[in-house]
Amino acid sequence: DADVTQTPRNRITKTGKRIMLECSQTKGHDRMYWYRQDPGLGLRLIYYSFDVKDINKGEISDGYSVSRQAQAKFSLSLESAIPNQTALYFCATSDSTDRVYEQYFGPGTRLTVT
Amino acid sequence: SQKIEQNSEALNIQEGKTATLTCNYTNYSPAYLQWYRQDPGRGPVFLLLIRENEKEKRKERLKVTFDTTLKQSLFHITASQPADSATYLCALVDDSWGKFQFGAGTQVVVTP
Repeated sequence: DADVTQTPRNRITKTGKRIMLECSQTKGHDRMYWYRQDPGLGLRLIYYSFDVKDINKGEISDGYSVSRQAQAKFSLSLESAIPNQTALYFCATSDSTDRVYEQYFGPGTRLTVT
Repeated sequence: SQKIEQNSEALNIQEGKTATLTCNYTNYSPAYLQWYRQDPGRGPVFLLLIRENEKEKRKERLKVTFDTTLKQSLFHITASQPADSATYLCALVDDSWGKFQFGAGTQVVVTP
């Protein structure tokens, strides 16, 4: 089974709808991240969490919110989806004790807002 | 503002040759620099990390250099194979806050 899973894998939604993307990990890592990827722009950090009670905004958090329900679960919500939030979304984890700072990525969620 | 630049044009290379990719950055003093591989429709996969006090790091057919004066990292794939075709991303890591900043990536296409 995959170490980092994301659901759904694909989602089409309409402008104004609320949508939640979920991420679960079995790696036992304390740190979790949400990124979006757009062509030509690379991965941009939306939110990150260093543990269950530590959640921080990334460079593009406007229009998004997150919830860290447990060490293994980190959800991303779009309160009122808009078309420019159409992108590929990735969840990632890392271990704060790992001196190589390796990030483990999920398979991604392709979100389309019409 | 902080900026990371990777060649946006795809690198087309013949099998067996060495592919060299560039990662340049400005307004940044990273403690570490990482390289990831991303295949279409999949999440990035970690390849290598190089620290600011290291000049070069090797892993199998991969070699990475890190020049903090030039603010540049070079990523080499020697004896390239068609299976090396993918997009390669560089990422800067700031140890103080554990955040990562990624470049947009460079696509490598290795033809037989």
